[in-house]
Amino acid sequence: KAGVTQTPRYLIKTRGQQVTLSCSPISGHRSVSWYQQTPGQGLQFLFEYFSETQRNKGNFPGRFSGRQFSNSRSEMNVSTLELGDSALYLCASSGEQLNTEAFFGQGTRLTVV
Amino acid sequence: QKEVEQDPGPLSVPEGAIVSLNCTYSNSAFQYFMWYRQYSRKGPELLMYTYSSGNKEDGRFTAQVDKSSKYISLFIRDSQPSDSATYLCAMSALSGAGSYQLTFGKGTKLSVIP
Repeated sequence: KAGVTQTPRYLIKTRGQQVTLSCSPISGHRSVSWYQQTPGQGLQFLFEYFSETQRNKGNFPGRFSGRQFSNSRSEMNVSTLELGDSALYLCASSGEQLNTEAFFGQGTRLTVV
Repeated sequence: QKEVEQDPGPLSVPEGAIVSLNCTYSNSAFQYFMWYRQYSRKGPELLMYTYSSGNKEDGRFTAQVDKSSKYISLFIRDSQPSDSATYLCAMSALSGAGSYQLTFGKGTKLSVIP
């Protein structure tokens, strides 16, 4: 069974640009959640999508957005990039609920210069 | 006060030692408790989860939950150099939207010295 796939693995962007990250969940999983990981703040929840609908949202500005497609693949978009957006962005998939088993991808390392 | 507190370490132990990793939490609504292991440049990997107070054992790993004290622990017996990683505690609770949301500790970096 293939795991969670995130693309690209690494990205370098300039302040003010926008970026789109992609996540393909485990086959059959309908929940996809996104997290930002930084050394100072740890893993912080961005949002969760289930069956193409945003089910939950963390405390991030509106520059961070996402969507989910009918095949459960998800994308997140960050507009008007800031230096502080440099982080590892992780995607996790689970079957129905995030109560116990969330499986993570390897992440996308975003560097904003 | 953050919802989940975890000592970031680093923690360095000799091979074969028993390792104790801990988290405290403040939100009584947390229902499920998990431990993840994250190797450098990798995503977190689920080690164990539990939902009740008490101990749960899986090989060399034991997860312990004390809901009355809002305290969870992970014990690693006979630690190996391959256990060197960052260990993250995580907890989930039902959100207002009717779905579960995970909250993570910041992680403890463990090094097991041969």
